[in-house]
Amino acid sequence: DAGITQSPRHKVTETGTPVTLRCHQTENHRYMYWYRQDPGHGLRLIHYSYGVKDTDKGEVSDGYSVSRSKTEDFLLTLESATSSQTSVYFCAIQGNYGYTFGSGTRLTVV
Amino acid sequence: GESVGLHLPTLSVQEGDNSIINCAYSNSASDYFIWYKQESGKGPQFIIDIRSNMDKRQGQRVTVLLNKTVKHLSLQIAATQPGDSAVYFCAPREDSSYKLIFGSGTRLLVRP
Repeated sequence: DAGITQSPRHKVTETGTPVTLRCHQTENHRYMYWYRQDPGHGLRLIHYSYGVKDTDKGEVSDGYSVSRSKTEDFLLTLESATSSQTSVYFCAIQGNYGYTFGSGTRLTVV
Repeated sequence: GESVGLHLPTLSVQEGDNSIINCAYSNSASDYFIWYKQESGKGPQFIIDIRSNMDKRQGQRVTVLLNKTVKHLSLQIAATQPGDSAVYFCAPREDSSYKLIFGSGTRLLVRP
């Protein structure tokens, strides 16, 4: 998807365990975003980054942290996963034509 | 904060007819608007965008209309095809924040 990949594509984890999702871009874009998508809620912004080591909170940031040590990678961490964090997570980059989204990571917390 | 509402959660149209998907937004500071299409199991795909200094923009089979006075957007799809079946989102952006805010989406079903 236009130089953006997410890993893993699927993950099942237990409540209370830490989880890290990775977003990788090859486009050298400054802005990167993490969204979650749940039925009836559309996409909700978790965190975003406007440069290396520059991040800010979105609408639903509680329970999540992010890091961006390199332009190409934006990591989303759930420090202690809860069942309410079961969702599909999408990463996005701001390119020349709107925002490009990755294919998503389906996370299930049991 | 920004809120985005969609008038119809599901729209069913006959193949070949035109489709109109509506979107209301609340933040008058929004200066850029994007429509996305999301097919099942995939990430949102860019369809068309429009800046606040325009009131209409056309693409291939799609037209977006923007009415800033009433904070309303619409996406028109001409000669709707089965491949147009998907969920459609409008996403306004505030230039100062570079954040996109999505509504819950409208599902478009195309009847053969």
